Amino acid sequence: GAVVSQHPSRVICKSGTSVKIECRSLDFQATTMFWYRQFPKQSLMLMATSNEGSKATYEQGVEKDKFLINHASLTLSTLTVTSAHPEDSSFYICSAPVGPSRDEQFFGPGTRLTVL
Amino acid sequence: QKEVEQNSGPLSVPEGAIASLNCTYSDRGSQSFFWYRQYSGKSPELIMFIYSNGDKEDGRFTAQLNKASQYVSLLIRDSQPSDSATYLCALRNTGFQKLVFGTGTRLLVSP
Repeated sequence: GAVVSQHPSRVICKSGTSVKIECRSLDFQATTMFWYRQFPKQSLMLMATSNEGSKATYEQGVEKDKFLINHASLTLSTLTVTSAHPEDSSFYICSAPVGPSRDEQFFGPGTRLTVL
Repeated sequence: QKEVEQNSGPLSVPEGAIASLNCTYSDRGSQSFFWYRQYSGKSPELIMFIYSNGDKEDGRFTAQLNKASQYVSLLIRDSQPSDSATYLCALRNTGFQKLVFGTGTRLLVSP
């Protein structure tokens, strides 16, 4: 199946710093990628849709100035958590649609962010 | 009413039994339905997708869709302890690529 990678897998940072998370499609091109956040024992919450060559589309309640998304190429999308605070500690996961109809979504392995 | 509803569980079944996981949805415009499995601390992995009413089988897994009743289910035959995980139901509406997820059902298969 399609492979989506994320880097880093785990990051611990101090409050106030910015953290960049990369999401790559390894064997296919992805004009669209999705960024999710998952808090412990909760389901995935879609944060934004990343579009190659254009601005990301953010879900209601997600601060676009805090969660910067850049879809630099057909295989790379980045999420930058700016001025991170402890409440931003979460599991961040990206996904990309694949298949002829782009219906199936494959997820990256996720990035565990801990803000001290 | 949540767009996708699942019983959080846990659903406990003995090894070798059939596990039945259910999901209901509110939007009749939903077209595509997906089941994901998520192990603790890991990201979701796609098990099956179904578009049409009826059953779709893949190995030990069977997805069932009933659009009139707005539910989709996942049956796991010959359940194994390794099937213990949280199962997420998701749907996609026509014209949109994004998925809407339920909160997931935790399945525990005891040896």
